[in-house]
Amino acid sequence: DTAVSQTPKYLVTQMGNDKSIKCEQNLGHDTMYWYKQDSKKFLKIMFSYNNKELIINETVPNRFSPKSPDKAHLNLHINSLELGDSAVYFCASSPRDRDYEQYFGPGTRLTVT
Amino acid sequence: AQSVSQHNHHVILSEAASLELGCNYSYGGTVNLFWYVQYPGQHLQLLLKYFSGDPLVKGIKGFEAEFIKSKFSFNLRKPSVQWSDTAEYFCAVSRWMDSSYKLIFGSGTRLLVRP
Repeated sequence: DTAVSQTPKYLVTQMGNDKSIKCEQNLGHDTMYWYKQDSKKFLKIMFSYNNKELIINETVPNRFSPKSPDKAHLNLHINSLELGDSAVYFCASSPRDRDYEQYFGPGTRLTVT
Repeated sequence: AQSVSQHNHHVILSEAASLELGCNYSYGGTVNLFWYVQYPGQHLQLLLKYFSGDPLVKGIKGFEAEFIKSKFSFNLRKPSVQWSDTAEYFCAVSRWMDSSYKLIFGSGTRLLVRP
């Protein structure tokens, strides 16, 4: 009965590679998010989608591209990975008209070597 | 700059000690306030939230937080901690910005409870 799930949980890859992280929520929420948690544990929003439409797009390199095939999924594709991309990436979702109440996935720890 | 500050980065307590974790924010106007907890190896979970009304809110597992508007604070408290409370605690503020709500997190406080 997982609410917000992410795959993979761990991802180790080399610089220059392209990788994707998948997120799915079974809560029936309309809005989904991607956050990045850096080595100092600081969490910052990257993107949010509402019903497959991009709502928030923070200052993130355009190597990062979110894709929402339907409102239950929000995937994050990263091109030409760099060392500085190493972080934990969290997916989250929120119900309609309650964007302030967000439910988080387990996170994906990305390590770029 | 507008921010959410958690001044205690690491806290070490013995079981049964009382806990208070500080959180201050610098946003004016209406805000919604949250505390999230991240247990070792697990995802972020909502501990408690404040939207309006009684400034003293109670959450899960015996935690509570008090919103003091004049101090721009939302401190987390627990009268008697347990070893299982060892986790990272994040304060967050939700504000309407740029046509959407944004959740802005503090840098977190790592709590270690010794048995």
